[in-house]
Amino acid sequence: EAQVTQNPRYLITVTGKKLTVTCSQNMNHEYMSWYRQDPGLGLRQIYYSMNVEVTDKGDVPEGYKVSRKEKRNFPLILESPSPNQTSLYFCASSRDMEYNSYEQYFGPGTRLTVT
Amino acid sequence: GDSVTQMEGPVTLSEEAFLTINCTYTATGYPSLFWYVQYPGEGLQLLLKATKADDKGSNKGFEATYRKETTSFHLEKGSVQVSDSAVYFCALSNFNKFYFGSGTKLNVKP
Repeated sequence: EAQVTQNPRYLITVTGKKLTVTCSQNMNHEYMSWYRQDPGLGLRQIYYSMNVEVTDKGDVPEGYKVSRKEKRNFPLILESPSPNQTSLYFCASSRDMEYNSYEQYFGPGTRLTVT
Repeated sequence: GDSVTQMEGPVTLSEEAFLTINCTYTATGYPSLFWYVQYPGEGLQLLLKATKADDKGSNKGFEATYRKETTSFHLEKGSVQVSDSAVYFCALSNFNKFYFGSGTKLNVKP
């Protein structure tokens, strides 16, 4: 089954404790992306990756890091989480970005709470 | 920069009513436009898309037309069902990035 998986689905942590949210896709997609969803703000793009070893900032990259060492995986790293990073996070992938036209496939989401 | 604005919700309709959710955008170049739907506890799913001006996207009775002159991509459905209750997001992609509206929650009552 074609899918995007994220782990963990739920996470409660404390300020300053480094954490990683994993994302994996089995569709051989080139493009992958991370979003955060906050009430009234919709989804905002954090980082995206056009292919292996190619990453770039989205609209809200502060406080986050990513890496793309393999095509299927795109982990999101919070080196020193703060309460304002409490949010619902989605990973997504797309075949590529030719002509801006390909749809994204979304993971189920990770609900992160930072106390 | 690029952005998407969609109507505030929630929108509450009776079954079989006509639905319109407004979406306007600001973008340079030639963006593609999308509507995504999110059911409770799930990720987003593509509902329909349009990749150039005057294209009409359609799926499951929903339609939206890419209007460059009014920078709009309004979502419509002629007769909603209870199962259409969800949050709907308008989005655009441009220069390798995606931008989403704030979402509109639709409640359909039997």
